[in-house]
Amino acid sequence: NAGVMQNPRHLVRRRGQEARLRCSPMKGHSHVYWYRQLPEEGLKFMVYLQKENIIDESGMPKERFSAEFPKEGPSILRIQQVVRGDSAAYFCASSPVQASSNQPQHFGDGTRLSIL
Amino acid sequence: RKEVEQDPGPFNVPEGATVAFNCTYSNSASQSFFWYRQDCRKEPKLLMSVYSSGNEDGRFTAQLNRASQYISLLIRDSKLSDSATYLCVVNAKAGTALIFGKGTTLSVSS
Repeated sequence: NAGVMQNPRHLVRRRGQEARLRCSPMKGHSHVYWYRQLPEEGLKFMVYLQKENIIDESGMPKERFSAEFPKEGPSILRIQQVVRGDSAAYFCASSPVQASSNQPQHFGDGTRLSIL
Repeated sequence: RKEVEQDPGPFNVPEGATVAFNCTYSNSASQSFFWYRQDCRKEPKLLMSVYSSGNEDGRFTAQLNRASQYISLLIRDSKLSDSATYLCVVNAKAGTALIFGKGTTLSVSS
């Protein structure tokens, strides 16, 4: 039973390029959460999605960042025109239903994004 | 006031020691509480959910005090493999984002 799968594990981009991060939730999970961890910082929530719907994007920067979770395929976090400050570890988590104490979120290995 | 606050440590303890971590949260309406563990900035792994009645899993005991908005984690008989960063995590309500503390670093030495 595969866990949350994220790819790529490491991604290097030059300033101004686009970064696409993918997340396949655990089998049977339809809720996906994206978090970002800046160097020396804790994890910060970015966006919560269900299939074809964005439920909460209150943690997403207003510009350059977008996320989707299509009916088929993985969830995608897209960062346009990347800047050095986007360098971070991006983690995806999933849960089968609304996450709670009894149905906690499980995390993928993360994507380490480095901006040159 | 930060939403979830933890003592960053580091806590340096010998094998076999008992160590306690504390955490406070600001949102009194929070409903779910967790301790996660993170090794060398790898993915966070759920250690245990924390319930009002307190709960124990082997050498690990978690306590929740809703009145004081305080969560604790006690590790008994520390092992070298317990060395990691321990993240206090709070959920305002089911289905919403997890709010993470910055973590407390534990280093267990032989």
